[in-house]
Amino acid sequence: SQQGEEDPQALSIQEGENATMNCSYKTSINNLQWYRQNSGRGLVHLILIRSNEREKHSGRLRVTLDTSKKSSSLLITASRAADTASYFCATDAGLTGGGNKLTFGTGTQLKVEL
Amino acid sequence: DTGVSQDPRHKITKRGQNVTFRCDPISEHNRLYWYRQTLGQGPEFLTYFQNEAQLEKSRLLSDRFSAERPKGSFSTLEIQRTEQGDSAMYLCASSHFGGGDYNEQFFGPGTRLTVL
Repeated sequence: SQQGEEDPQALSIQEGENATMNCSYKTSINNLQWYRQNSGRGLVHLILIRSNEREKHSGRLRVTLDTSKKSSSLLITASRAADTASYFCATDAGLTGGGNKLTFGTGTQLKVEL
Repeated sequence: DTGVSQDPRHKITKRGQNVTFRCDPISEHNRLYWYRQTLGQGPEFLTYFQNEAQLEKSRLLSDRFSAERPKGSFSTLEIQRTEQGDSAMYLCASSHFGGGDYNEQFFGPGTRLTVL
């Protein structure tokens, strides 16, 4: 079953704008990760945030985590056409601190137009 | 290219046939995971291995599904007596577990199965 939901399901923006995607989940977690998937391809790992972290940056990506609300957001700044893809959040809720199965959300389809 | 390879990339089969997929993980990775993804959904966990030991299986993994990792390197996923509902993308991922730090999962390109 899917752990959480992402919002919005689809997002269309102009190149140069920022894109924000939200993820909600249901159980306590060790960490939350964001992945990108281009149409019909495998997943590419973007960023991981641990349960004791509140914000993390990587290049044009900024992730926040609010464990009290069981939610996370992914911000992509200065978007490019190449950012067009589906974005998934995934939670690791195992007992051993990490490296466990991931439970994915339903994904946000981002389209960045020129 | 993440370094995880899967073969074949596409498989079309008739209902009732058996199929087998292979995953070659990144060589130093001790954990290997299988997921299934249907159209418009996120991947769903099927099973995972640490070295050759199968540590967890999802309820999605019916008795028609079997996965092995005999030498702790590559893995195979077999589906017996395929059904149309098995049509999906089957994704493999690997990670290094241990050493105190995190275990990002690297995904392969997937095997797309179509059952006619």
